[in-house]
Amino acid sequence: KNEVEQSPQNLTAQEGEFITINCSYSVGISALHWLQQHPGGGIVSLFMLSSGKKKHGRLIATINIQEKHSSLHITASHPRDSAVYICAVASGSRLTFGEGTQLTVNP
Amino acid sequence: DAGITQSPRHKVTETGTPVTLRCHQTENHRYMYWYRQDPGHGLRLIHYSYGVKDTDKGEVSDGYSVSRSKTEDFLLTLESATSSQTSVYFCAISQFSGVAGAGELFFGEGSRLTVL
Repeated sequence: KNEVEQSPQNLTAQEGEFITINCSYSVGISALHWLQQHPGGGIVSLFMLSSGKKKHGRLIATINIQEKHSSLHITASHPRDSAVYICAVASGSRLTFGEGTQLTVNP
Repeated sequence: DAGITQSPRHKVTETGTPVTLRCHQTENHRYMYWYRQDPGHGLRLIHYSYGVKDTDKGEVSDGYSVSRSKTEDFLLTLESATSSQTSVYFCAISQFSGVAGAGELFFGEGSRLTVL
């Protein structure tokens, strides 16, 4: 079993829909990251959180430390949100990544 | 944007040849990481560094070595490249906060390596 599990692996939505991507992990962590990778490969950090909730524009990230679970929500999704979303957990000196969720938002 | 650059960005080489990828940062961040990205596997950690001359193995370290003689440079070496090392390689840095990954992550643009 991977230390970091994301679901779903693939997600297709219509423009305007509310989207949720989930991340579960099995180790104790100091922080959790949500990353975005667009076609062409560049990876951008969206959020870094260790508790509670963070919001940036239409994106919201939450984490429940007790349940070892985090969610990334996208409100009013748009085709430009189409990308791979990756969860990564920091434990000690190491980072471990989920396999990513491929999101496609159709107009 | 964080100052992190990878070189070369693209390389084609033959099996058995040595290859070195360079990650250079201008942010003075303590933690640096090398990982590879392959279809069906996502990002996998190869090696990481928590300071000058301080490195440790990740989950897919076989066939790779690293060196960090200066804060700003983290080198990844394939002593004898194999076709299974064809991949896209990413470097990442993390702000010093006492614990790796407890600060924001910044990524290089990736280096695409093809081993024929």
